[in-house]
Amino acid sequence: GNSVTQMEGPVTLSEEAFLTINCTYTATGYPSLFWYVQYPGEGLQLLLKATKADDKGSNKGFEATYRKETTSFHLEKGSVQVSDSAVYFCALYSTGNQFYFGTGTSLTVIP
Amino acid sequence: DAGVTQSPTHLIKTRGQQVTLRCSPISGHKSVSWYQQVLGQGPQFIFQYYEKEERGRGNFPDRFSARQFPNYSSELNVNALLLGDSALYLCASSSNRGLGKNTEAFFGQGTRLTVV
Repeated sequence: GNSVTQMEGPVTLSEEAFLTINCTYTATGYPSLFWYVQYPGEGLQLLLKATKADDKGSNKGFEATYRKETTSFHLEKGSVQVSDSAVYFCALYSTGNQFYFGTGTSLTVIP
Repeated sequence: DAGVTQSPTHLIKTRGQQVTLRCSPISGHKSVSWYQQVLGQGPQFIFQYYEKEERGRGNFPDRFSARQFPNYSSELNVNALLLGDSALYLCASSSNRGLGKNTEAFFGQGTRLTVV
């Protein structure tokens, strides 16, 4: 079946620190992989995506590489800002035309 | 252009009642999907509608139903509400039935349902 496992939170970092949020997946077929971000009181916003193995998605300084050999899609950012504080969801999109989401990782960045 | 709009934004219902949530997709989008996000969890797929027909259903009881109208807006209905139905209900729209390299799903801000 399809499932996503992501790093438990919450994560607290100082401004300008390096961020990694781990995400691994199990999938049937050839999934696309996504990172969504959710700010307090809001819905989900697409942060980045990758549609095939070895693709790198990037946006707003965030990056993630689709690693088929390790079934991973870890999110990284070199220097976080206070405005990056949010909940981050790793997701895969595969058979059945639906998303499978991880449980989310809460990030707080302190000045 | 307006994004995905959902109404109402917040709702409080009593156990056993029925509720209807509404979603208007982005103009031109024919696919609407519904997700339930319980506090502290990731969203769970409930339904997908495309061209007014149900195209997918998640692991939810028959108390949950939905429909899509000719203008592609959608309603999610939940009957006989339980405390466990308290959640953020998200609607997502896309232009195609499936997502490809150049097709994106856009999420609304959700309806926060509290069952007391």
